[in-house]
Amino acid sequence: KAGVTQTPRYLIKTRGQQVTLSCSPISGHRSVSWYQQTPGQGLQFLFEYFSETQRNKGNFPGRFSGRQFSNSRSEMNVSTLELGDSALYLCASSFLGPGEANEQFFGPGTRLTVL
Amino acid sequence: GENVEQHPSTLSVQEGDSAVIKCTYSDSASNYFPWYKQELGKGPQLIIDIRSNVGEKKDQRIAVTLNKTAKHFSLHITETQPEDSAVYFCAAPTGNQFYFGTGTSLTVIP
Repeated sequence: KAGVTQTPRYLIKTRGQQVTLSCSPISGHRSVSWYQQTPGQGLQFLFEYFSETQRNKGNFPGRFSGRQFSNSRSEMNVSTLELGDSALYLCASSFLGPGEANEQFFGPGTRLTVL
Repeated sequence: GENVEQHPSTLSVQEGDSAVIKCTYSDSASNYFPWYKQELGKGPQLIIDIRSNVGEKKDQRIAVTLNKTAKHFSLHITETQPEDSAVYFCAAPTGNQFYFGTGTSLTVIP
């Protein structure tokens, strides 16, 4: 069974630009969660989608948005990039979702650098 | 929301020794406690998990213990090997969200 895939793996953008990251969950998984990982803040929850609906959202500004498609693939978008958005963005998939004591499996992440 | 604390933040052990990482959580409703290992340049990998209806779970050299009354759980790695060197994260769910500990950087010295 293929694991969670994320594209692209690396991105370099400049301040003010926008970026779209993509995540393909494990086949059959309907929940996709997104996290931002930085050395100072650790793993911070962005949002979770289940069957195309956002069920939960973390404490991030509205510049961070996401969506999920009918095939469970998910995208997240960051608009008006700031230097502080430089981070590793991780997506994780699970069958029912993190709230149902389900295993959550991570992708390799997208390393975003904002210059 | 949940508050997960993880200690220590760094840990160095000699190869062959044991390593123990501890986490505490605040939400008594949490009922699932996974541990992840993250190697450099990779995403976190689930290595073991435990549900609240058991107190201990073992998988070869790795074990996790859970004390629901005290709201803490621990990861135990025995006979450590250099390839165990990585950052380890604990987590606890509340609602539709996982809350992660701040990570423990484990170094196994050959």
